[in-house]
Amino acid sequence: QITLKESGPTLVKPTQTLTLTCTFSGFSLRSGVGVGWIRQPPGKALEWLALIYWNDDKRYSPSLKSRLSITKDTSKNQVVLTMTNMDPVDTATYYCAHGGWGSWGQGILVTVSS
Amino acid sequence: QAGLTQPPSVSKDLRQTATLTCTGNSNNVGSQGAAWLQQHQGHPPKLLLNRDNNRPSGISERFSASRSGNTASLTITGLQPEDEADYYCSAWDSSLRAQVFGGGTKLTVL
Repeated sequence: QITLKESGPTLVKPTQTLTLTCTFSGFSLRSGVGVGWIRQPPGKALEWLALIYWNDDKRYSPSLKSRLSITKDTSKNQVVLTMTNMDPVDTATYYCAHGGWGSWGQGILVTVSS
Repeated sequence: QAGLTQPPSVSKDLRQTATLTCTGNSNNVGSQGAAWLQQHQGHPPKLLLNRDNNRPSGISERFSASRSGNTASLTITGLQPEDEADYYCSAWDSSLRAQVFGGGTKLTVL
């Protein structure tokens, strides 16, 4: 059974850097899979952010690429997303998901406010 | 900002059939296919069909997908109250080298 769980701060101040961790089980990032991050502002649609593959290949949303970084720690079964220069419009529920979208974490609501 | 276009809302009667559409272009839906996800309020999305139109284990056969050109469609037969949810399509865009989502369709079962 594949499970994923997001962790990190639920409140960040404008201009700060957000660091979120996705801890997963039931699969390994050593071969053939990837883990992605998706966010959803309250009452709005899903927005894809980034994806990291087992071979460390990375893909980013073109509109947010300059602010995002995705890394993995295969030994810990973790994927970390960092987003710089946070703004109130970045307030959203942030999800991590198995690369085939078949399994999602419960999400973490991150509020950006001073 | 949505990369794929979905109608904001669709309403259908109980036990009827609903068809939801998702329009992209030749770089995404037209060449890569689209996955479909269902999201109930307050819950994470759930995969209904992957881009190869395969259903994960546990997903009802009432859900099916098709594609014509740059438009993907999700068909839900025999609508049930629990089908009332938001539905999203998603596709890989080979030009952007990024995943794109639709804006979602809110399905209301009357």
